[in-house]
Amino acid sequence: DTEVTQTPKHLVMGMTNKKSLKCEQHMGHRAMYWYKQKAKKPPELMFVYSYEKLSINESVPSRFSPECPNSSLLNLHLHALQPEDSALYLCASSPDGEAYNEQFFGPGTRLTVL
Amino acid sequence: AQKVTQAQTEISVVEKEDVTLDCVYETRDTTYYLFWYKQPPSGELVFLIRRNSFDEQNEISGRYSWNFQKSTSSFNFTITASQVVDSAVYFCALSEAEGTDSWGKLQFGAGTQVVVTP
Repeated sequence: DTEVTQTPKHLVMGMTNKKSLKCEQHMGHRAMYWYKQKAKKPPELMFVYSYEKLSINESVPSRFSPECPNSSLLNLHLHALQPEDSALYLCASSPDGEAYNEQFFGPGTRLTVL
Repeated sequence: AQKVTQAQTEISVVEKEDVTLDCVYETRDTTYYLFWYKQPPSGELVFLIRRNSFDEQNEISGRYSWNFQKSTSSFNFTITASQVVDSAVYFCALSEAEGTDSWGKLQFGAGTQVVVTP
């Protein structure tokens, strides 16, 4: 299985809602990533988990809260988002987070905040 | 500072034409890795190739070829005999192996939109 899956595919939420994005991989990878991508822009790194520990937080606002329950799963909890947070949220994984690893990306969750 | 520059925002070609995408990078590291990813309209980024800083051999994979030149800090990508299915955004990315601030991060260029018309 060489796939990274993400659910849901689309999400519409109000600014007072709480929702979660889910990402799963079964490749035995030990590094997982969240990216945010606005239209016509490259992906921007948000968080990196390495061996289930948060290793990088790119100064992301606290209304985004990542969680890595185990090595196969990665969640992104959303609370009190702003309309400017509307974007494509991409999850990725790599074997161990080393610089030479290619990252395997999921199809993304397209988030709209009203 | 932008470490990966893809100066071409959009390239439009007719099917069967060749298209070359430029990528220029900047790093002080001796050891680094360069990547190309394809992002079709569906949204998922697809890994195409990785090159390490010590390997300047050019690579060909089917209709795709890559030209890595350390002397000009460039890692260009050519699609030969383009097809409609090649329409996508292509990202060049840099991964540095030595800097503590940048370790573990893929630094993407702005991307080049390729439009192939029949």
